Amino acid sequence: AQSVTQLDSHVSVSEGTPVLLRCNYSSSYSPSLFWYVQHPNKGLQLLLKYTSAATLVKGINGFEAEFKKSETSFHLTKPSAHMSDAAEYFCVVSVRYGNKLVFGAGTILRVKS
Amino acid sequence: DTGVSQDPRHKITKRGQNVTFRCDPISEHNRLYWYRQTLGQGPEFLTYFQNEAQLEKSRLLSDRFSAERPKGSFSTLEIQRTEQGDSAMYLCASSLAPGPAYEQYFGPGTRLTVT
Repeated sequence: AQSVTQLDSHVSVSEGTPVLLRCNYSSSYSPSLFWYVQHPNKGLQLLLKYTSAATLVKGINGFEAEFKKSETSFHLTKPSAHMSDAAEYFCVVSVRYGNKLVFGAGTILRVKS
Repeated sequence: DTGVSQDPRHKITKRGQNVTFRCDPISEHNRLYWYRQTLGQGPEFLTYFQNEAQLEKSRLLSDRFSAERPKGSFSTLEIQRTEQGDSAMYLCASSLAPGPAYEQYFGPGTRLTVT
């Protein structure tokens, strides 16, 4: 069965410093992986997706993620955090092509001024 | 606004009552999904439709839950005889399938509180 594990439930960074949110996945076949962001009282928004093309995926708002098959990881990074990045981030794997999504437990990102 | 919409945004009900939620997907999307998110957890899949056909249901979807998408457009999720454990955020998402734009677009959710 497909699953994802987000290694940190909370991450705190200072504004202007790099962000790293870690995610490991488990899949019996080549996975499609996503990162979604959820701001308070707002819907889930897609940040980026990996679907077996380039292993380094660029998303919105300066985020990117690298698919590493050997490490079964799909970590999310951003060079410089902004206050508006404070939110909850979910690593997600899709079960087969475009069917149900399996979410990790989420990582709450706090950005300090 | 052409995104996914859900109604109501909040619902408070007493245990044992029935509730119904509505989801309006992005108009050209043929797939519609329901998820449930409890506090401190990621969303969990409940069921999905392709057009009007319900193609998969999770084990989480007990017989008190029923979902419909009668004309392949909007969908309703009904919970009968609500229990306190049903308190959660119910999320709807839609997507195009099977083409390259298969990412799911989420609505704002309906927060259910069962007292």
